[in-house]
Amino acid sequence: QKEVEQDPGPLSVPEGAIVSLNCTYSNSAFQYFMWYRQYSRKGPELLMYTYSSGNKEDGRFTAQVDKSSKYISLFIRDSQPSDSATYLCAMSARSGYSTLTFGKGTMLLVSP
Amino acid sequence: DTAVSQTPKYLVTQMGNDKSIKCEQNLGHDTMYWYKQDSKKFLKIMFSYNNKELIINETVPNRFSPKSPDKAHLNLHINSLELGDSAVYFCASRGTVYEQYFGPGTRLTVT
Repeated sequence: QKEVEQDPGPLSVPEGAIVSLNCTYSNSAFQYFMWYRQYSRKGPELLMYTYSSGNKEDGRFTAQVDKSSKYISLFIRDSQPSDSATYLCAMSARSGYSTLTFGKGTMLLVSP
Repeated sequence: DTAVSQTPKYLVTQMGNDKSIKCEQNLGHDTMYWYKQDSKKFLKIMFSYNNKELIINETVPNRFSPKSPDKAHLNLHINSLELGDSAVYFCASRGTVYEQYFGPGTRLTVT
């Protein structure tokens, strides 16, 4: 079982739809959770990060963490064509020089 | 004002050559990384440096040698380039909550 599982997509939605992106993980030591957006031929851009369980909202984006289920989600409201990108989840344990473990990314396509 | 910058953006070279990629961050972070992103888009960590000291080396061939002259810079030198080294290489630095900030990437093509 991979440490972090993420459906590669592509996920195609019409403009204005609510998008749900998800990751599951197996390592119960993970405590920090992040979502990155990567446009084609660009570097990953940090969207949101959360610590432990709970929700965090930033504009049209909401990140949710359910540690009991080892499941994290990113919701995008009122999706726009400019949201079309690959979304990567990443997570880290809380220990010294702990690294980020990434999912393989979900490609999102928002059509006008 | 770019937080993490890399040069060059594109690198096309022949097998057997030696090349370097440079990275600089102006975020004041202590920890920096090199990642490799293959054709399937998977991000794999290669090295991590903290305050100029190597702390992670993820079984990368010793043809790859990172160097950190100071905590704001982390360079990657690659000897005897092989076809399989073709990929996008990203530099990143770590913030205070384990989040990482990535550079724009260097697309290496070995012919």
